[in-house]
Amino acid sequence: GAGVSQSPRYKVAKRGQDVALRCDPISGHVSLFWYQQALGQGPEFLTYFQNEAQLDKSGLPSDRFFAERPEGSVSTLKIQRTQQEDSAVYLCASSSRTGWATGELFFGEGSRLTVL
Amino acid sequence: AQSVSQHNHHVILSEAASLELGCNYSYGGTVNLFWYVQYPGQHLQLLLKYFSGDPLVKGIKGFEAEFIKSKFSFNLRKPSVQWSDTAEYFCAVTYYGGSQGNLIFGKGTKLSVKP
Repeated sequence: GAGVSQSPRYKVAKRGQDVALRCDPISGHVSLFWYQQALGQGPEFLTYFQNEAQLDKSGLPSDRFFAERPEGSVSTLKIQRTQQEDSAVYLCASSSRTGWATGELFFGEGSRLTVL
Repeated sequence: AQSVSQHNHHVILSEAASLELGCNYSYGGTVNLFWYVQYPGQHLQLLLKYFSGDPLVKGIKGFEAEFIKSKFSFNLRKPSVQWSDTAEYFCAVTYYGGSQGNLIFGKGTKLSVKP
């Protein structure tokens, strides 16, 4: 596609529900990142994929967060038993590069999660 | 921990005023530096980047930034802002040897330009 596509754009969940957020990166992009952006803050790194391999998940805040990219393209971020502190915008970004040159990222519009 | 500081949370300017947004990063060795912009209702997009070479880099829409290694700074400048520059601006850094090149962002500076 022309850009990074994320769905849903908005999600309201009751505390304790599971949610799944989808990211469709730019076709052919090897690197895929997930970021969490709380209100009034900058994006914070969650996890990184190179093709289907999850090379870094050090930013995932708890074991309730899980991400996958089984075929090296579309990725899903899953949050189990959502809590109010999970309310944030979840950003997906992709890059054709790998390694430390991947900083030139293409971002999606984000999925805004509100947990009641 | 590695971090990025942006000095101003919200800047309000009139059209044609000059702009300088501060950004400092914590020491950590060799870095790549970026400014991203998020216009209202849109996604984050790259404004400019520094990888190596000339420390004065020029980006889109008349923006420029200067990398001053001794000050760990990468300030964003524009000589004359326009109403259409109203947006949130994020400074970001990747550290050589860091986690797979992921970006570390500052908290952002919201710029409001009055017509």
